[in-house]
Amino acid sequence: EAEVAQSPRYKITEKSQAVAFWCDPISGHATLYWYRQILGQGPELLVQFQDESVVDDSQLPKDRFSAERLKGVDSTLKIQPAELGDSAMYLCASSFSTAHSGNTIYFGEGSWLTVV
Amino acid sequence: AQSVTQLDSQVPVFEEAPVELRCNYSSSVSVYLFWYVQYPNQGLQLLLKYLSGSTLVKGINGFEAEFNKSQTSFHLRKPSVHISDTAEYFCAVSVFSGGYNKLIFGAGTRLAVHP
Repeated sequence: EAEVAQSPRYKITEKSQAVAFWCDPISGHATLYWYRQILGQGPELLVQFQDESVVDDSQLPKDRFSAERLKGVDSTLKIQPAELGDSAMYLCASSFSTAHSGNTIYFGEGSWLTVV
Repeated sequence: AQSVTQLDSQVPVFEEAPVELRCNYSSSVSVYLFWYVQYPNQGLQLLLKYLSGSTLVKGINGFEAEFNKSQTSFHLRKPSVHISDTAEYFCAVSVFSGGYNKLIFGAGTRLAVHP
């Protein structure tokens, strides 16, 4: 069964350092999402891509977070500089299309970030 | 704005007992509703979804949910739980805006199944 791949699974970084997460969506999925899940809370959307274009980044802290999907396939989420409050799980997800709200969104295993 | 409220943060239950996890949503338009499960240190896995048609939706692992439009609820149920059902469960609503859809999640309910 096809899966959304994410790396690294776990990352510990010091405050003010840079950190990056990588995601490879299910083949053929045009839509890619990055969600942040703080411990004990539900996932919150950070950024959404349709192919290589950002279609929603309203909740992305743009002073320190950036995301790209250059060829419309895999994606990188970067944080620079990292802050203590960024400690969370970063989930990547993908779906075939956003043309219909009922399309299933598939999630990766997540990347745990701990900022010390 | 559309939102999801999961009424219980934790639900303890004994093995083989029935369970209901409650979810209410707010929306002024037609909704598509989802339940996801998250096992420890893993991503989210789709349990079931409601798009239209029958209000009783059956999912994987013996779970089912009932869409109730008048009560704006989408409660998840299982008649007999197993230890392996211990996990975090998230209710979500699909929001369609500006030509694109995304999921809005509730805060989650931790189901703890005891022997």
